[in-house]
Amino acid sequence: DIQLTQSPSSLSASVGDRVSITCRASQYISTYLSWYQQKPGKAPNLLIYGASSLRSGVPSRFSGDRSGTDFTLTISGLQPEDFATYYCQQSFANPRTFGQGTKVEIK
Amino acid sequence: QLQLQESGPGLVKPSETLSLTCSVSGGSITSRSHYWGWIRQPPGKGLEWIGSMYYSGSTYDNPSLKSRVTISLDTSKNQFSLRLSSVTAADTAVYHCVTDFWSGNPYFDYWGQGILVTVSS
Repeated sequence: DIQLTQSPSSLSASVGDRVSITCRASQYISTYLSWYQQKPGKAPNLLIYGASSLRSGVPSRFSGDRSGTDFTLTISGLQPEDFATYYCQQSFANPRTFGQGTKVEIK
Repeated sequence: QLQLQESGPGLVKPSETLSLTCSVSGGSITSRSHYWGWIRQPPGKGLEWIGSMYYSGSTYDNPSLKSRVTISLDTSKNQFSLRLSSVTAADTAVYHCVTDFWSGNPYFDYWGQGILVTVSS
């Protein structure tokens, strides 16, 4: 199975901060990487697919990038509604796998 | 916009079969652009993909579940279902039904709110 390792596991940040979360794949996955946001008690919500394509309706402060097997989710100008847990997920190979999650908390 | 809603028992006994149904509105499960899938999340833990099925009957699932998974579609009701056999406490989780958008670069675009299934005697 392809392993996805997210870092950090958690972070504290303030409203307005620029925040970056990294997801490292255990092998080549091209751009078959998506990012999801999950708030407590809710289902995950797709933010980005294809490593860098923003889903329609998702604020432009969210962006995704890829460098080899390293992927980054960046939130430029953290908003109160962005405090949540973020997961990366690969669709390059079966089984589809997720990172362990990164919790973004209020400083 | 697609909407998904899970239903089924919230408590299942060990060794029995977990059965859940997902009702789909705002679209048809005979859509050529989507697979229909299930993802679970044990309390306080991360996400695990269970499997996905296409309207044609093509399915693929997570080998870690050791062939305990059956996903089926009911086109007459616009629903799809999950059966997970021989459950143990490790199968206790929130189960989400999802749409698996099968483009050149797949992703899970719509999610049901989830249903907590507890495995306990």
